[in-house]
Amino acid sequence: QQPVQSPQAVILREGEDAVINCSSSKALYSVHWYRQKHGEAPVFLMILLKGGEQKGHEKISASFNEKKQQSSLYLTASQLSYSGTYFCGTEEWSGAGSYQLTFGKGTKLSVIP
Amino acid sequence: DGGITQSPKYLFRKEGQNVTLSCEQNLNHDAMYWYRQDPGQGLRLIYYSQIVNDFQKGDIAEGYSVSREKKESFPLTVTSAQKNPTAFYLCASSMGLAGSYEQYFGPGTRLTVT
Repeated sequence: QQPVQSPQAVILREGEDAVINCSSSKALYSVHWYRQKHGEAPVFLMILLKGGEQKGHEKISASFNEKKQQSSLYLTASQLSYSGTYFCGTEEWSGAGSYQLTFGKGTKLSVIP
Repeated sequence: DGGITQSPKYLFRKEGQNVTLSCEQNLNHDAMYWYRQDPGQGLRLIYYSQIVNDFQKGDIAEGYSVSREKKESFPLTVTSAQKNPTAFYLCASSMGLAGSYEQYFGPGTRLTVT
């Protein structure tokens, strides 16, 4: 089932912070975050795994609340280059990983000078 | 440089014709994926493959077919049975199946069927 992302869109001024949320109705094994600029391929940002392990970039942080089946992506001191559409991809947990990601509809982030 | 290539970038076809989209990777990744992207809909999984000669249906496999004869290649055929084929198609690969492994995406093929 497709995870729900919020907000759908957000506009920031350079230097401001943003939080993007991803919520699922299913128990999750992992949450992935990707950023896609218009007309380009999605680019990996972060993986959060059941049990607390994280893999990702230094300038971007994220949290994963397994009990609430939610993840949040934190973008601090935003730069113009942060603009794009952010997608979360969730992998359901059913005793083991399901081996496929289900992506949300995306959050469009625009950073203005 | 290692990466994923998709060709062509733009593809135009008449309704009723089958069309094959190419995806090649030189990352030595075991797993490969095909996604479809429509405006405002996110990415939806069509097919995925963990190893050569094995692949699994994703959420929207109807009207599509794939093959995995080589580790590096995972072509997607959009058949005439696909009712609404116009979309942006993305191929991806990862070291292993989804979960612990990040996915690397190709530049995509934008297919227009009229």
